[in-house]
Amino acid sequence: GNSVTQMEGPVTLSEEAFLTINCTYTATGYPSLFWYVQYPGEGLQLLLKATKADDKGSNKGFEATYRKETTSFHLEKGSVQVSDSAVYFCALTISSGSARQLTFGSGTQLTVLP
Amino acid sequence: DAGVTQSPTHLIKTRGQQVTLRCSPKSGHDTVSWYQQALGQGPQFIFQYYEEEERQRGNFPDRFSGHQFPNYSSELNVNALLLGDSALYLCASSPRYSSYEQYFGPGTRLTVT
Repeated sequence: GNSVTQMEGPVTLSEEAFLTINCTYTATGYPSLFWYVQYPGEGLQLLLKATKADDKGSNKGFEATYRKETTSFHLEKGSVQVSDSAVYFCALTISSGSARQLTFGSGTQLTVLP
Repeated sequence: DAGVTQSPTHLIKTRGQQVTLRCSPKSGHDTVSWYQQALGQGPQFIFQYYEEEERQRGNFPDRFSGHQFPNYSSELNVNALLLGDSALYLCASSPRYSSYEQYFGPGTRLTVT
């Protein structure tokens, strides 16, 4: 089956620190990969995506590269802000012509201190 | 343009009761998916609807059922509630022929006592 493994949290950083959240996956087909973010009391928002090997997704200073050889999709940001404090979820779906279910990791809580 | 909306925001039920949660998809979206997010966990896929039929289902018992209406809105029904059904229930919508972007609502927090 399909599964996503995220690094254990919580993660606490000082403002302007470098962020890495690790994500690895197992998939029976060729997946598309995503990072979603969940702010307190809200639903999930798509942060970035990559649909094929070596693609780099980026948004709001966050980046992640689809590494097929290591089955990984690590999230990085060069300088975090207090406003980045949230829970981050790595997810995959098996690409096809129709919308497919998302398989999520367990999430990583990020707290950024001023 | 309203995004995905869900109602109610919070709900408290007693073990053994039945509950109905509602979702209106983003304008232009015809596919609705439901997810269960237990505290401290990632969302788990329950099922997906389009053309008013259940198209995919995750590993959830038959106590979980749904419906999609002609206007694409959807309901999630859970019968014979268990304490373990306490969770945040998320609805996501997408256009059918998009594998990529699912838009999530704010969720309904269900507490079973």
